Amino acid sequence: KAGVTQTPRYLIKTRGQQVTLSCSPISGHRSVSWYQQTPGQGLQFLFEYFSETQRNKGNFPGRFSGRQFSNSRSEMNVSTLELGDSALYLCASSPAGGWNTEAFFGQGTRLTVV
Amino acid sequence: GQQVMQIPQYQHVQEGEDFTTYCNSSTTLSNIQWYKQRPGGHPVFLIQLVKSGEVKKQKRLTFQFGEAKKNSSLHITATQTTDVGTYFCALNTGNQFYFGTGTSLTVIP
Repeated sequence: KAGVTQTPRYLIKTRGQQVTLSCSPISGHRSVSWYQQTPGQGLQFLFEYFSETQRNKGNFPGRFSGRQFSNSRSEMNVSTLELGDSALYLCASSPAGGWNTEAFFGQGTRLTVV
Repeated sequence: GQQVMQIPQYQHVQEGEDFTTYCNSSTTLSNIQWYKQRPGGHPVFLIQLVKSGEVKKQKRLTFQFGEAKKNSSLHITATQTTDVGTYFCALNTGNQFYFGTGTSLTVIP
């Protein structure tokens, strides 16, 4: 069974640009969550999607958005990039989500904003 | 974003020594999960604790959930070099989910 796949693995963007990251969950998993990991702030929850609907949201500005498609694949978008958005972005999938079951993480997308 | 301070932040141990990390919340939790992240890797699920006072063991790892469901610990007996990494707790309050700051473990051979 293939694991969680995130693309691209590395990305360099300029301040003010926007970026879209992609996450393909494990087959059969309907929940996809996104996290931001930085040395200073640690691992922070961005949002969770389940069956194409955003079910939970962390404390991030509206520049951070996401969506989920009917095949459970998810995308995360960050608009008007700031230097502080440089981070490892991780997605995790689980069968039903809700933070009550094991989450399987992808390798992450390393975003650098210059 | 909300975070919980894990103690200690860093720990260096000689191979064979024991290691413990603590996770304390001010809020009663629905459950707590523990993850391990190797250097350069991604978090990998270790275990979930749900019941008050619950203790679970995985070989050399022992996980405890406090009686008040506000704190938890992870104890590793006789560390090995394969235990190197950062250990995170992940807390579910029922309507919020957040990670602890992590404890970075270095094992000296």
